[in-house]
Amino acid sequence: SQTIHQWPATLVQPVGSPLSLECTVEGTSNPNLYWYRQAAGRGLQLLFYSIGIDQISSEVPQNLSASRPQDRQFILSSKKLLLSDSGFYLCAWSIGGTSTDTQYFGPGTRLTVL
Amino acid sequence: AQSVTQPDIHITVSEGASLELRCNYSYGATPYLFWYVQSPGQGLQLLLKYFSGDTLVQGIKGFEAEFKRSQSSFNLRKPSVHWSDAAEYFCAVGALRRIKAAGNKLTFGGGTRVLVKP
Repeated sequence: SQTIHQWPATLVQPVGSPLSLECTVEGTSNPNLYWYRQAAGRGLQLLFYSIGIDQISSEVPQNLSASRPQDRQFILSSKKLLLSDSGFYLCAWSIGGTSTDTQYFGPGTRLTVL
Repeated sequence: AQSVTQPDIHITVSEGASLELRCNYSYGATPYLFWYVQSPGQGLQLLLKYFSGDTLVQGIKGFEAEFKRSQSSFNLRKPSVHWSDAAEYFCAVGALRRIKAAGNKLTFGGGTRVLVKP
């Protein structure tokens, strides 16, 4: 069966510091991968999605970037965090190549920028 | 562009009472629809999904949803709520795409937080 992992689970970082959040998927090959942010009291905002290694699409201009160095690894990064980067970050995967893919979510990372 | 509206930000229901969460979507093509549930501090868990066929869809935990194309709605229901159903619920819409390159993106509603009174 497939599983999705995210780490760290929680993170407190000062403004201006770098960020690296990692997401890995097990039990499937060539998945579509997604990064979402959920700000306090708000819905989910899609940040990035990837259909393959080094194939990243950005949905909103922002202070963040994403990379996919391996088939089942998706990394969310920032060189300098802003206060507005605080939130709950969710990674998701779906089976690649079909038209009705269900997305399955990881446990999330709670990021607090102080 | 597709969009999803969940009109109710909060709903309070007594344990054992019925629950209905509203979801309205806007999408020009054939939609596929999801309901997810999120417990505090957790990721999202899929409750049910609709792609085609029978418009009444059964999901996990006793939930069901009905797709009404004429009303552009996909409301979630449960006949008898349990205290463990207290959570936030998200409706999402995606498009039927036939190419991997589209990424099968979903658009989520703002969520409805359900509180269950004993």
